[in-house]
Amino acid sequence: AQSVTQPDIHITVSEGASLELRCNYSYGATPYLFWYVQSPGQGLQLLLKYFSGDTLVQGIKGFEAEFKRSQSSFNLRKPSVHWSDAAEYFCAVGADYKLSFGAGTTVTVRA
Amino acid sequence: DADVTQTPRNRITKTGKRIMLECSQTKGHDRMYWYRQDPGLGLRLIYYSFDVKDINKGEISDGYSVSRQAQAKFSLSLESAIPNQTALYFCATSDLAGGPHNEQFFGPGTRLTVL
Repeated sequence: AQSVTQPDIHITVSEGASLELRCNYSYGATPYLFWYVQSPGQGLQLLLKYFSGDTLVQGIKGFEAEFKRSQSSFNLRKPSVHWSDAAEYFCAVGADYKLSFGAGTTVTVRA
Repeated sequence: DADVTQTPRNRITKTGKRIMLECSQTKGHDRMYWYRQDPGLGLRLIYYSFDVKDINKGEISDGYSVSRQAQAKFSLSLESAIPNQTALYFCATSDLAGGPHNEQFFGPGTRLTVL
C-alpha cells in the first residue's frame, strides 16, 4: 500500500527567507504526487502535481517541487516566503483512484 | 458561489446521537470523497463514490455510512456518534474524465464535536 511521510511537523521561517518542505513516499509503481495547502479555516487547495515528464514542477503562488525517484521524495520549495504562506501543507500520493495524505507540515512565518 | 459546499459548517452533538453531514457540488464531477482530518494524522479517507451506484469503503469506515443521493450530493452519517469522532470532515470531488488521479477539489469542511 502507498504511504506518505512528512518528517517536519512544524517549520518556522522568516518572511523573505526560502522554504523547503520534505515529502517521502512509498509506492511500487510510478507515483502521482500532489502538494495541497490549507489556510486557517479553509479547505485544501492544490499547489501543484506531478504525473510524469519534467521532474521539476511549477505550481501556484510561486511554489515548485522536485520529484526524485532515487530518493522517493517530492520536496516543495519557495524561494521567498510571504506572510500569507503561513498554513498547513500536505503531500499526497495517488493510487487506485484514491489519495493518501501525509500528516502535514505547519508553516509559521515570522516578521 | 462555492463549487463544493458542506453543511453544517459546525456541529456540536452528544454521544449516541445520529448525525448527517451533507455535501453538494456544482462541478459536475463523478467522483466524491469523504475524509476526516485529525491533528498530526493528516486526512484519512472514510468513503468514496465514483457514481450514484458505486460506494466504497475507505481506510476508516467503521462507525460511518454514506449515501449518494444524486451525482451532486454525497452525505456522511454517523449512526451513533462517539467522542473520538470529533474531527474536521472534508468532502472532495474529482472529474473522472481527468484520469485516475486528477485533482480533488475540497469543500470548506465541517467541524464536528461529539460530547
